[in-house]
Amino acid sequence: AQSVTQLGSHVSVSEGALVLLRCNYSSSVPPYLFWYVQYPNQGLQLLLKYTSAATLVKGINGFEAEFKKSETSFHLTKPSAHMSDAAEYFCAVSPQETSGSRLTFGEGTQLTVNP
Amino acid sequence: NAGVTQTPKFQVLKTGQSMTLQCAQDMNHNSMYWYRQDPGMGLRLIYYSASEGTTDKGEVPNGYNVSRLNKREFSLRLESAAPSQTSVYFCASALREVTEAFFGQGTRLTVV
Repeated sequence: AQSVTQLGSHVSVSEGALVLLRCNYSSSVPPYLFWYVQYPNQGLQLLLKYTSAATLVKGINGFEAEFKKSETSFHLTKPSAHMSDAAEYFCAVSPQETSGSRLTFGEGTQLTVNP
Repeated sequence: NAGVTQTPKFQVLKTGQSMTLQCAQDMNHNSMYWYRQDPGMGLRLIYYSASEGTTDKGEVPNGYNVSRLNKREFSLRLESAAPSQTSVYFCASALREVTEAFFGQGTRLTVV
């Protein structure tokens, strides 16, 4: 069984401030982990993914996430928020085994960026 | 390159009506998925197809059926729509089961 918990359904930051979106996972086998972003009235777009190579993963738009096995976490960060980062962000987990594997999503975090 | 295309984008149904949501991908992906998105609940998997010719239930399959018509197309059918099925529906595809999924733009369905 696998699950994802995103801490904080709403996060608000000022433009230029650090963005930190939290994600903790539960998986009985080594996981693959993903962050997706959803802009209003659009589908989900992949930001970055962890697939057991480097624990620090860099994605698009200046985002990065660090896989910490001891903390079962995969938090998303960006050093300096931009107005265009305002969106909903989803963390997702998938077990590395292939048979029957599929993504399980967290409930999402709505990021607001204030001028 | 269109990616994942869903039709229609918007639909209003009356309770008890039926309809089929269409999804097609042009990335030669093996796996395809249908999710529904409801406020505060993230995305929940309705059905998926790991490869052409196979379909399996996801987390919330009741009230839905699917057909993997060929490698490109994966449709979702509501036989008798209910207000609880008001949601935004997303189709997604992936090269194989454990790789990242690519999403369509969504279908906003309202059942009155």
